[in-house]
Amino acid sequence: ELKVEQNPLFLSMQEGKNYTIYCNYSTTSDRLYWYRQDPGKSLESLFVLLSNGAVKQEGRLMASLDTKARLSTLHITAAVHDLSATYFCAVDLNYGGSQGNLIFGKGTKLSVKP
Amino acid sequence: DTAVSQTPKYLVTQMGNDKSIKCEQNLGHDTMYWYKQDSKKFLKIMFSYNNKELIINETVPNRFSPKSPDKAHLNLHINSLELGDSAVYFCASSQGGGSGGLQETQYFGPGTRLLVL
Repeated sequence: ELKVEQNPLFLSMQEGKNYTIYCNYSTTSDRLYWYRQDPGKSLESLFVLLSNGAVKQEGRLMASLDTKARLSTLHITAAVHDLSATYFCAVDLNYGGSQGNLIFGKGTKLSVKP
Repeated sequence: DTAVSQTPKYLVTQMGNDKSIKCEQNLGHDTMYWYKQDSKKFLKIMFSYNNKELIINETVPNRFSPKSPDKAHLNLHINSLELGDSAVYFCASSQGGGSGGLQETQYFGPGTRLLVL
């Protein structure tokens, strides 16, 4: 059974600081997603990582994937309040040869304080 | 333009009732999904349909029955609602087809907040 573990689950940081969220998964997969969820809202796709060594950046967020270590990271640079949200990683289980069976981590609730 | 829409947004009902949630996507995607997000924000896939065909059916009570009249719609019918069914239900869609790449990105609807009393 695929397990996806994120840490930390809660992160309180000051504006301007850097931090990294980690996503470990327990079985082979070459497809990993990061999503953002604001309170009471839907999930917004941030990054799709499709191969070992993939790195994607958007604004103050950068995501990377190491399939050998079964690890993805989401790095936050110079945090601002607008980044406060819950961040989920999700791994594609490649269910029965058809992609799309996403297993989600428990989410990291990020709070950026002035 | 709403890409993935769900109705209703809120649903409050009594135990034992039967209810349906509707989902529509106007992205031209082939694959649609239902997820359940519990009170601890944990997200779990329930069902997936590709071009009206069921391809993922996780361990979900058979009181839950998805129906896909066409590839743009995936509805969720729930019989004999229980307290534990209270959650937020998200519909999602992706291009699918198993070809990999960005086509597999799933786009989520706004969610339906179900409260069973």
